[in-house]
Amino acid sequence: EDKVVQSPLSLVVHEGDTVTLNCSYEVTNFRSLLWYKQEKKAPTFLFMLTSSGIEKKSGRLSSILDKKELFSILNITATQTGDSAVYLCAVEYGNTGKLIFGQGTTLQVKP
Amino acid sequence: GAVVSQHPSWVICKSGTSVKIECRSLDFQATTMFWYRQFPKQSLMLMATSNEGSKATYEQGVEKDKFLINHASLTLSTLTVTSAHPEDSSFYICSARDRGRGREIGELFFGEGSRLTVL
Repeated sequence: EDKVVQSPLSLVVHEGDTVTLNCSYEVTNFRSLLWYKQEKKAPTFLFMLTSSGIEKKSGRLSSILDKKELFSILNITATQTGDSAVYLCAVEYGNTGKLIFGQGTTLQVKP
Repeated sequence: GAVVSQHPSWVICKSGTSVKIECRSLDFQATTMFWYRQFPKQSLMLMATSNEGSKATYEQGVEKDKFLINHASLTLSTLTVTSAHPEDSSFYICSARDRGRGREIGELFFGEGSRLTVL
């Protein structure tokens, strides 16, 4: 059965801390792995990863994929209260655009 | 700005009534749209794939007669929850695929979501 598992499920840190969120997957016909940030409404796109070992970076956020070990990490450095959200990892499979989502990691950044 | 628009954002209805949710791609044509459901504190679960001009493809366990999907044009898909019951209360989100933008900038866009509460 295809699945995407995220850890930890929740995390509380203080501003300035660095966090690492994990996502492992077992999906047939893997096409890409995506990270989203969800606050109150719909998810907003962060990264899409298709190749192993190539880090993608956007400001304080970065992510990398390991297709051999079937996992990805999302790093957030110098966290801010505005980073508080649910971070979703999803895997696109086949050529249909369908996504399987992980359970999400709820990050709370305290002042 | 948003490239996929959903309407309504919030809807409250009585048990037994039907509710229609619209999903529009604003500046691109979407031959395929996806409908997801998210229960509180849970992740998004794919309900169905909406294909322009043809029948929707439903995921296992999703009742096609209860969740009617119509994708009559390249920019609009609708999800109708028929004879809604309290257990259908959820957050419904659509996403659309813009093939024209290419893969590297994330071709899947989500609508803002519609929160349905059935009394």
